[in-house]
Amino acid sequence: SQQGEEDPQALSIQEGENATMNCSYKTSINNLQWYRQNSGRGLVHLILIRSNEREKHSGRLRVTLDTSKKSSSLLITASRAADTASYFCATDFSGGYNKLIFGAGTRLAVHP
Amino acid sequence: GAGVSQSPSNKVTEKGKDVELRCDPISGHTALYWYRQSLGQGLEFLIYFQGNSAPDKSGLPSDRFSAERTGGSVSTLTIQRTQQEDSAVYLCASSGGGQGKSFFGQGTRLTVV
Repeated sequence: SQQGEEDPQALSIQEGENATMNCSYKTSINNLQWYRQNSGRGLVHLILIRSNEREKHSGRLRVTLDTSKKSSSLLITASRAADTASYFCATDFSGGYNKLIFGAGTRLAVHP
Repeated sequence: GAGVSQSPSNKVTEKGKDVELRCDPISGHTALYWYRQSLGQGLEFLIYFQGNSAPDKSGLPSDRFSAERTGGSVSTLTIQRTQQEDSAVYLCASSGGGQGKSFFGQGTRLTVV
């Protein structure tokens, strides 16, 4: 079964607004990663947050991690039409090797 | 190469035929993953190779699916006696250097008719 579950499944916003996506997982992790996918093909790594970190920033992206609640959020600030894509969280089990398990993703649509 | 390369980009095959999908990971990456993605869905883990260790095959959906990784580099995913439900995009990723993040190929879109 999927390790990560994202919500919402779909999100539609206007350019300039912020977009927040959430991810919950089930077991202990080494790290949690967020990926972006355009047009159903290859994924691009966005950001990695380790289990001992609580918040991380990269440009317009902000990721938080709450290990007590087994959840993470991805915030995209000042969204642009080019941010339209599917966003996935992936967890790296703390089982001795970095086997990545992905959630079902959030489809983000940013309208001009 | 500069990135993860997958071939073919698209494959149409008749039900019952065997297919082979190829993945060339980034040079030096010890970890290689295969995932399957059906239309509008998330990524389904299939198999994971890490160095010389025995692969984690726990995600392979049936014994019609198999994968090899030769010389710790190129990997081939083989689907025997294809079924229509095998139609999906098959994605390969590699990682290494202790960075944790994975690099994906553009995938192979498999259509079984």
